[in-house]
Parts: sequence; C-alpha cells; structure tokens
Amino acid sequence: SQTIHQWPATLVQPVGSPLSLECTVEGTSNPNLYWYRQAAGRGLQLLFYSVGIGQISSEVPQNLSASRPQDRQFILSSKKLLLSDSGFYLCAWSVGGPGETQYFGPGTRLLVL
Amino acid sequence: GEDVEQSLFLSVREGDSSVINCTYTDSSSTYLYWYKQEPGAGLQLLTYIFSNMDMKQDQRLTVLLNKKDKHLSLRIADTQTGDSAIYFCAESEGYQKVTFGTGTKLQVIP
Repeated sequence: SQTIHQWPATLVQPVGSPLSLECTVEGTSNPNLYWYRQAAGRGLQLLFYSVGIGQISSEVPQNLSASRPQDRQFILSSKKLLLSDSGFYLCAWSVGGPGETQYFGPGTRLLVL
Repeated sequence: GEDVEQSLFLSVREGDSSVINCTYTDSSSTYLYWYKQEPGAGLQLLTYIFSNMDMKQDQRLTVLLNKKDKHLSLRIADTQTGDSAIYFCAESEGYQKVTFGTGTKLQVIP
C-alpha cells in the first residue's frame, strides 16, 4: 500500500534561517507531488506541484522553492525564512486516480520567530 | 480564477445531523471532494462526487450537488464527537490542480 511521510513533524526556526522540509512517498511510481501551506485561520494554498523528477510548477511567488531530486522525494526549501512563512505545510501525492484524487501526509508545523 | 467558499464554523449537538455547505465558481469543475482534517493531522479524503451526479451516499455521509447553483453539501447523520474536525470542500477539472475551500470547523457538543 502507498504511504507518505513528512518530516520533521514540528519545527521552530528564527527569522532569516534556512528551511528544508522533506516528503517521501512509498508504494507508487511516478506520482504527482504537491506542497500546500495552511496558514492560521485560512484555507489551503497550493505552493508547488511536480509531475516528474526535476519538474516543478510554482503557483504563488514567494521566498520558498521546491525540488524533486528523486521520483518519490519532494523537498520544500527557503534560504531565509520570514515570519509570514509560519504555518502548517502539507505534502500530497496523486497518480492518475479518479479526478486526480490527492492523498495527504501528516504535515509539518512550522513556527518562525 | 477558481474560488471555493465555505462558512468557517458549525456547531451541532451529538446525535443531530450536520450539514456543511460549499459554493464554487469554476463551471468546468469535474470532481468535487470533501476532506477531513483532525486536530494536528493531515487531510483525509472522505468522499468525492463526479459533476454529473446529484447525490452520493456512503454510510453516514451524504453528498448533494446542485451543479446549476454550484453548491455542494456534506451531510453527516448521527454526528458523533469523533466527527469534530475541519472539513474542506475542494474541486478540480480532472487535471493536477485541486482548489480547496477555507474549511469549516465542526464542533460537536456532547
């Protein structure tokens, strides 16, 4: 069966520090991968999606970037965190299911101080 | 662009039915979804409906779709305290991008 992992589960970082969040998927090949952010009191915002290794599409301009070095690995990064980057970051995958149904990881809670 | 709207909060008594409503703007929406997010956890797909359907029932869950009004609802029968969570409505055109609503926080009062 397919599983999706995210780490770390919780992260507290100072403003201006770098960020690296990792997401890996098991049990499937060539998935579409997504990064979402859920800010406090707001809905989900799609940040990036990837249809293959090295292929990244950005939905919103920001100081975050994403990379997909391997088929089932998706990394969210920042060189310098802002206070506004605080939130709950969710990774998801889909692979040609009905309506491209997306399955979500457990999430990473990021607090930038 | 696509927009999905939900009310932010709903409170019901245990044993009553809950109805969570959602409206969307994209007339090209092909699939509509309901996700559940429990406190501190990721999202869990509850159910989805194709846009050519009016209703879908799955145990205690009933999804109603009014395509003319672009209105989607989720009814939870016999609501339990374990149903307390944030419920997200979402839509897609069958491509990669799924647009989510802001989420409705359901509070179940014992």
